[in-house]
Amino acid sequence: GAGVSQSPSNKVTEKGKDVELRCDPISGHTALYWYRQSLGQGLEFLIYFQGNSAPDKSGLPSDRFSAERTGGSVSTLTIQRTQQEDSAVYLCASSLWMPVLAPNTEAFFGQGTRLTVV
Amino acid sequence: TQLLEQSPQFLSIQEGENLTVYCNSSSVFSSLQWYRQEPGEGPVLLVTVVTGGEVKKLKRLTFQFGDARKDSSLHITAAQPGDTGLYLCAGVDAGNNRKLIWGLGTSLAVNP
Repeated sequence: GAGVSQSPSNKVTEKGKDVELRCDPISGHTALYWYRQSLGQGLEFLIYFQGNSAPDKSGLPSDRFSAERTGGSVSTLTIQRTQQEDSAVYLCASSLWMPVLAPNTEAFFGQGTRLTVV
Repeated sequence: TQLLEQSPQFLSIQEGENLTVYCNSSSVFSSLQWYRQEPGEGPVLLVTVVTGGEVKKLKRLTFQFGDARKDSSLHITAAQPGDTGLYLCAGVDAGNNRKLIWGLGTSLAVNP
């Protein structure tokens, strides 16, 4: 596709249920990020995938959160036993590798998945 | 841990006023990017600054990268309601697999 695609766009789930959020990055982009954003707030980093390197999971808020990236392309963010405080917009972004000599590489964002835990 | 601090966090001004948003860190970045996010959308890149002391202009927006590449500013001249949005700065961490480090953003409202 032409841009980063996220699905579903909206998800309402009951407290305690598991949810899976999907991100289809731009073809050829080796870097993929997941962020969480509350209303009117900045981006909370969750996890970063870069090529074949081990993912940077330092932003995952608890062990209920996990993410995978299969084949260096599609990524899935899974939240187990959802809590009301998990309600937020989950944004995915992808970019080309950012070598020092090509710093103008842009991160492209999907439109996000709005998760509501009731 | 590298951090980017943005200030102010919120800004509400009248149309025609000027404003400056700051992005500061104690760490050096190989480059720094500014994004703007509108409600219901993901952030979109405005500019990338690379060289210490660099100044870039995008119509009424002026971006500056500090000499030591630790800080940046965004100045908007004669703000318009269309400038309303969340402005985010992001630094490229050359020492951490090129990971983007994000500020928390400045929420700007320009009132007609």
